[in-house]
Amino acid sequence: DGGITQSPKYLFRKEGQNVTLSCEQNLNHDAMYWYRQDPGQGLRLIYYSQIVNDFQKGDIAEGYSVSREKKESFPLTVTSAQKNPTAFYLCATRFYNEQFFGPGTRLTVL
Amino acid sequence: AQSVTQPDIHITVSEGASLELRCNYSYGATPYLFWYVQSPGQGLQLLLKYFSGDTLVQGIKGFEAEFKRSQSSFNLRKPSVHWSDAAEYFCAVGVMEYGNKLVFGAGTILRVKS
Repeated sequence: DGGITQSPKYLFRKEGQNVTLSCEQNLNHDAMYWYRQDPGQGLRLIYYSQIVNDFQKGDIAEGYSVSREKKESFPLTVTSAQKNPTAFYLCATRFYNEQFFGPGTRLTVL
Repeated sequence: AQSVTQPDIHITVSEGASLELRCNYSYGATPYLFWYVQSPGQGLQLLLKYFSGDTLVQGIKGFEAEFKRSQSSFNLRKPSVHWSDAAEYFCAVGVMEYGNKLVFGAGTILRVKS
């Protein structure tokens, strides 16, 4: 069954803790993206990776880190430096010019 | 800088009525344009896309959109709305220079009244 898996669906963390969001795909797509969604603001790009072992900062990368050690996986770490981490996080892959989105992870920092 | 504007935050239409959601973009090159739909707490589903060619594009679920270069617009339309169309709709432009990232509008929430 092909697709993009994000886990967990809901995540709660205490302020000051780092947390890692998982994104896995079996679509064999090279490019992967992380977006953050806040109410009334649409989606904003955090990081993207066009190939294994390479990634680039997006528009709002401060307080986040990523790795791309495998083609299938693109985990996002929300660090304690991110001032307002509570949001809905969406992972996407790209094939040619079309992006495909995972189901998302809702992160709430208490 | 690239940007997308969706002027309407909320729209309410009656079931069976026609729908038009507005989208204006700012991008220096020939744009790749997209409309996505999102149900609450879910990911985004692609409704339709424009890359080149015919400026009227057909999508899934009976939606269509028209690209008008002179107006920098890509409005989404549906002739007859169904209650299941209630969702949030996002317009986006693809930016080739930055890894083909998508720049999104703020979204339009569609409510359908019976």
